[in-house]
Amino acid sequence: QKEVEQDPGPLSVPEGAIVSLNCTYSNSAFQYFMWYRQYSRKGPELLMYTYSSGNKEDGRFTAQVDKSSKYISLFIRDSQPSDSATYLCAMSVSTGNQFYFGTGTSLTVIP
Amino acid sequence: DAGVIQSPRHEVTEMGQEVTLRCKPISGHNSLFWYRQTMMRGLELLIYFNNNVPIDDSGMPEDRFSAKMPNASFSTLKIQPSEPRDSAVYFCASSVKYEQYFGPGTRLTVT
Repeated sequence: QKEVEQDPGPLSVPEGAIVSLNCTYSNSAFQYFMWYRQYSRKGPELLMYTYSSGNKEDGRFTAQVDKSSKYISLFIRDSQPSDSATYLCAMSVSTGNQFYFGTGTSLTVIP
Repeated sequence: DAGVIQSPRHEVTEMGQEVTLRCKPISGHNSLFWYRQTMMRGLELLIYFNNNVPIDDSGMPEDRFSAKMPNASFSTLKIQPSEPRDSAVYFCASSVKYEQYFGPGTRLTVT
């Protein structure tokens, strides 16, 4: 079993839709949870991070962590064509340790 | 800050040749990571350093791969000899806490 599982999609939604992206993991020691966005032919860029359980909101983006279920989510409200990218979840046990990445979900927002 | 700098951005070489990829991390970051990304396998961690010391190189696929970090501002990933299956995008990332910042990547093609 992989440390982090992520549905690769592809996911296609109309502009303005709410998007839900999810990852599951097996290691209960993970404490830091990140979401990265990667545009085509670019490096991943950090979108959001959360520590331990709970929610975090940043504009149209909300990250949720449910450690009891070993499940994390990223919600995108009022999706825009500029949100079209691959979204990767990542998690780590502690700072200075390696990150475990999901394989990424490809999202297309249709105008 | 200019972010993580990688060179070259593109490399095309023939099988059997030596390839050297270079990375300059963000100033003040004490952890450096080398990743490889392919469509089939996603983002794979090859090796990471803390304070210039290699911590985990279990992701290095073979002895043909080697990495060095002689000082806090420079790292290299070398492949010798290169093979067609090494064709991928190689990313360098640096971090100071839990946020990893990625460079633009080096697209390597081995013919």
